[in-house]
Amino acid sequence: AQKVTQAQTEISVVEKEDVTLDCVYETRDTTYYLFWYKQPPSGELVFLIRRNSFDEQNEISGRYSWNFQKSTSSFNFTITASQVVDSAVYFCALNTGTASKLTFGTGTRLQVTL
Amino acid sequence: DAGITQSPRHKVTETGTPVTLRCHQTENHRYMYWYRQDPGHGLRLIHYSYGVKDTDKGEVSDGYSVSRSKTEDFLLTLESATSSQTSVYFCAISEWHRDGYTFGSGTRLTVV
Repeated sequence: AQKVTQAQTEISVVEKEDVTLDCVYETRDTTYYLFWYKQPPSGELVFLIRRNSFDEQNEISGRYSWNFQKSTSSFNFTITASQVVDSAVYFCALNTGTASKLTFGTGTRLQVTL
Repeated sequence: DAGITQSPRHKVTETGTPVTLRCHQTENHRYMYWYRQDPGHGLRLIHYSYGVKDTDKGEVSDGYSVSRSKTEDFLLTLESATSSQTSVYFCAISEWHRDGYTFGSGTRLTVV
């Protein structure tokens, strides 16, 4: 069985603050893929990143960065210098090597205010 | 141009009636999925398809059926709608199941 836990239900920050969204996953497979999706207030789901279990290098894309640590089964997402446009619900998801489907966490709602 | 479209975008229906939601893709992707989104539950998989006429159940499949007679279309049917099926339904596609998914815009279904 696979499981994704996003313990932070809601986070509120002031613009320009850094914020980290936590994601902890469970799987017995050695091959797996981790994802982050963004759902802005408009409702669509936007793919942000995919990381496979063999690549523990951290990823940076502009103000976004992802920290993958197999030792703690975590795939955390940090937004540097947050902006109001970052306000959204963020989902972490897991796909194992033997499954044909994504398992999502329950999401973290991020509110960035001026 | 959107590679995936869902119809209808909004629907209100009565308890006990059958409802069909449609997902249409123009990407020729092999995999198609139906998820429902509910507060506190995130997205949960209802059914998915890995090819024409090849489908399988997800974690919340009771009360739902699907069909895929063409690569581009994946239909979700609520056989007899109940209030617990009030939700936002998302369709998604992927070329390979380990890829990131592309999601449709969602269908907001209300069962009264």
